[in-house]
Amino acid sequence: KAGVTQTPRYLIKTRGQQVTLSCSPISGHRSVSWYQQTPGQGLQFLFEYFSETQRNKGNFPGRFSGRQFSNSRSEMNVSTLELGDSALYLCASSRGFRYEQYFGPGTRLTVT
Amino acid sequence: EDQVTQSPEALRLQEGESSSLNCSYTVSGLRGLFWYRQDPGKGPEFLFTLYSAGEEKEKERLKATLTKKESFLHITAPKPEDSATYLCAVQLNTGNQFYFGTGTSLTVIP
Repeated sequence: KAGVTQTPRYLIKTRGQQVTLSCSPISGHRSVSWYQQTPGQGLQFLFEYFSETQRNKGNFPGRFSGRQFSNSRSEMNVSTLELGDSALYLCASSRGFRYEQYFGPGTRLTVT
Repeated sequence: EDQVTQSPEALRLQEGESSSLNCSYTVSGLRGLFWYRQDPGKGPEFLFTLYSAGEEKEKERLKATLTKKESFLHITAPKPEDSATYLCAVQLNTGNQFYFGTGTSLTVIP
């Protein structure tokens, strides 16, 4: 079974630009969560989608948004990039409540 | 406030030297506790899920246990390939959100 895939793997953007990251979950998984990982803060929860609906949201500014498509694929968008947005962005999929999450390899975003 | 704390932050072991990693949590309602392994530059890899106090899970040299306040990941006779960062996460019974600890970086020296 194919794992969670994320594209692109690496991205370099300039402050003020916007970026869109993509995630394809494991086949059959309807829940997709996004996390930001930085050396100082660890894994911080951004949001979770299930069947195209956002069910949970973490404490991030409105510049961070996401969506999920009918095939469970998900995208995350960050507008007006700041230097502090440089991080590894991880996507995780699961079958739903009470099930473990499986992570993709992440997208390394560098904002200059 | 829901909190997950892992200790120690870093651990260096000689090959074959057994030890334990700790994950303590303060949450309003625990649905499950999860252990992950993360190698540099990669996403976390799922290891175990524990749902109730007293539960234990084993996989090769790893054994995870759960109490009402904390979880331990015991590593028996570790090998250099066990070197990684080990993360624990709690899932609350109010939703599908996971709270992660900051991890324990394990180095096993040959």
